[in-house]
Amino acid sequence: DAGVIQSPRHEVTEMGQEVTLRCKPISGHNSLFWYRQTMMRGLELLIYFNNNVPIDDSGMPEDRFSAKMPNASFSTLKIQPSEPRDSAVYFCASSLSLGTGELFFGEGSRLTVL
Amino acid sequence: DAKTTQPPSMDCAEGRAANLPCNHSTISGNEYVYWYRQIHSQGPQYIIHGLKNNETNEMASLIITEDRKSSTLILPHATLRDTAVYYCIVRVALRGNEKLTFGTGTRLTIIP
Repeated sequence: DAGVIQSPRHEVTEMGQEVTLRCKPISGHNSLFWYRQTMMRGLELLIYFNNNVPIDDSGMPEDRFSAKMPNASFSTLKIQPSEPRDSAVYFCASSLSLGTGELFFGEGSRLTVL
Repeated sequence: DAKTTQPPSMDCAEGRAANLPCNHSTISGNEYVYWYRQIHSQGPQYIIHGLKNNETNEMASLIITEDRKSSTLILPHATLRDTAVYYCIVRVALRGNEKLTFGTGTRLTIIP
């Protein structure tokens, strides 16, 4: 059974460019989470969805960040315009439902903004 | 959610049991203990969770003290693939309380 699939695995871009990260959750999972990991701040929850609806985006750092989930099998995290401080590993995770605490994480997208 | 304290690093010989401690002295009655691990360059992996009873699954065992102020994750026969950072997380298992606070964890190194 396929796990959470993220793309791209690595992205190098220049400051000011738009970045789109993609995620396919595990089939049948109703909740999807976006996390960011940096050395300085560790793992941070950015936003999560339930049944394709954004529930809490209070962790999104600023308006340059946006996330969508147009259907149950696809989500995107977009940064526009990107800045060097956005360099991090971005993880997508899914779970059967909210409240379980049992998240299945993808392998992450490592973003470097020059 | 209650704060947790873990040793920054531990070593364990391959084939032996790895016992990872976690202190959560301010845990509330409705807070669960969760364990995740993160192998280098991978996403975190859920291991196990419990409220007050000891729990066991195919990956590990979780021992929670009677007063619930501390717990131990046990990997019964550690292999080199168990080398990872292990996170102990305490949270109320409530719909809407979705944030998992990953601290700095314990870096476990399995020695051949």
